[in-house]
Amino acid sequence: QLVVTQSPSASASLGASVKLTCTLSSGHSYAIAWHQQQPEKGPRYLMRVNSDGSHSKGDGIPDRFSGSRSGAERYLTISSLQSEDEADYYCQTWGTGIRVFGGGTKLTVL
Amino acid sequence: QVQLQESGPGLVKASETLSLTCSVSGGSISTYYWSWIRQPPGKGLEWIGYIYYSGNTYYNPSLESRVAMSVDTSKNQFSLKVRSVTAADTAVYYCARDGYCSGGTCIGLVDYWGQGTLVTVSS
Repeated sequence: QLVVTQSPSASASLGASVKLTCTLSSGHSYAIAWHQQQPEKGPRYLMRVNSDGSHSKGDGIPDRFSGSRSGAERYLTISSLQSEDEADYYCQTWGTGIRVFGGGTKLTVL
Repeated sequence: QVQLQESGPGLVKASETLSLTCSVSGGSISTYYWSWIRQPPGKGLEWIGYIYYSGNTYYNPSLESRVAMSVDTSKNQFSLKVRSVTAADTAVYYCARDGYCSGGTCIGLVDYWGQGTLVTVSS
């Protein structure tokens, strides 16, 4: 069964960096996508993180956002945190005939 | 720039059928996968199902018995129907571009989202 796990919450200070984690179920090595959902808005595609750890960002996504991987974990790193980065972040992957979202991580910028 | 726009009734009576359409502009619906995703108030994202431009569909097993999707390539639109709705189907419904196949390799990641439309099921 394909499962995507995210920590429910994270926090970091304005101007600092934060690393959000997405853990894929055992044996699943596909690429994932990160999506940002600011309060009262729809989701926005941030980037794709490939199985080799490389990433490709969506249109207009700032350089402050980057992706990486280690084993079954996929990461979203946000540097120089700004107030508008306070949002829910969702990880998404796929299999044949299925799409799966993680439960989301609520990021608080202190 | 690809843009997606959901349309349909914002209020549906319990036991009736929810119907939504997604209009795609700025790009062709062909060669891509297209998904419907919903978000109940205060909760996370739930994948409902996807349709390939050719008409092939896959649905979330939890909804499969009540869901149907279709595509109209001539209008660059795809649609969702959910039968026998209950209050649990109240959510913001999003349409999204959801991957492609190229050179024998397929990928199923959302890279464009519609703005979403709130559908409320009333009793």
